[in-house]
Amino acid sequence: DTGVSQDPRHKITKRGQNVTFRCDPISEHNRLYWYRQTLGQGPEFLTYFQNEAQLEKSRLLSDRFSAERPKGSFSTLEIQRTEQGDSAMYLCASSLGLAGGQNEQFFGPGTRLTVL
Amino acid sequence: SQQGEEDPQALSIQEGENATMNCSYKTSINNLQWYRQNSGRGLVHLILIRSNEREKHSGRLRVTLDTSKKSSSLLITASRAADTASYFCAPYNQGGKLIFGQGTELSVKP
Repeated sequence: DTGVSQDPRHKITKRGQNVTFRCDPISEHNRLYWYRQTLGQGPEFLTYFQNEAQLEKSRLLSDRFSAERPKGSFSTLEIQRTEQGDSAMYLCASSLGLAGGQNEQFFGPGTRLTVL
Repeated sequence: SQQGEEDPQALSIQEGENATMNCSYKTSINNLQWYRQNSGRGLVHLILIRSNEREKHSGRLRVTLDTSKKSSSLLITASRAADTASYFCAPYNQGGKLIFGQGTELSVKP
């Protein structure tokens, strides 16, 4: 158990609906990452936060995707108007994010999204 | 790119045998990390090797790094059925994100 938790673990939704996922990082970690993984592929980076600041967003993150980390602790990832192509495992990770640090990331169990 | 490329894509061995997986990358790195993922689960951090290290051990795992060739290898000795998983390398420089390749899918048969 790495200490990163994600909720829900599974989500089934209909196309066009909005969904929101939550990630709780390891408490002392100031960096939080979101990745997306489809079957047979490695995780793809979506975005990451240092404390409450969103420092980088992937081009994969369309306007329908938004992530927040309002108090620098937990984070939410919202997908609006879901499409079937959004079906994937959404992974959250956290790290200490020390300047000059090694950035060892600890992953949560993931949220599996199925869009019907 | 900073992405790691694993080789082979799939590896099938018998329990007790050693498994070797390779990783190549293209840019300079601060460190290189190996992760394991069991089917449908999150990733588990296995080992991190710094750019100034050549070899590192952790239990049955041995990682080597050759920065001149921009390559790394992960050796699992005396494999067990429980080692069946996908293995990913992640070269890291700066900037936070890790960029993963497709991974090596290891199957260890009892």
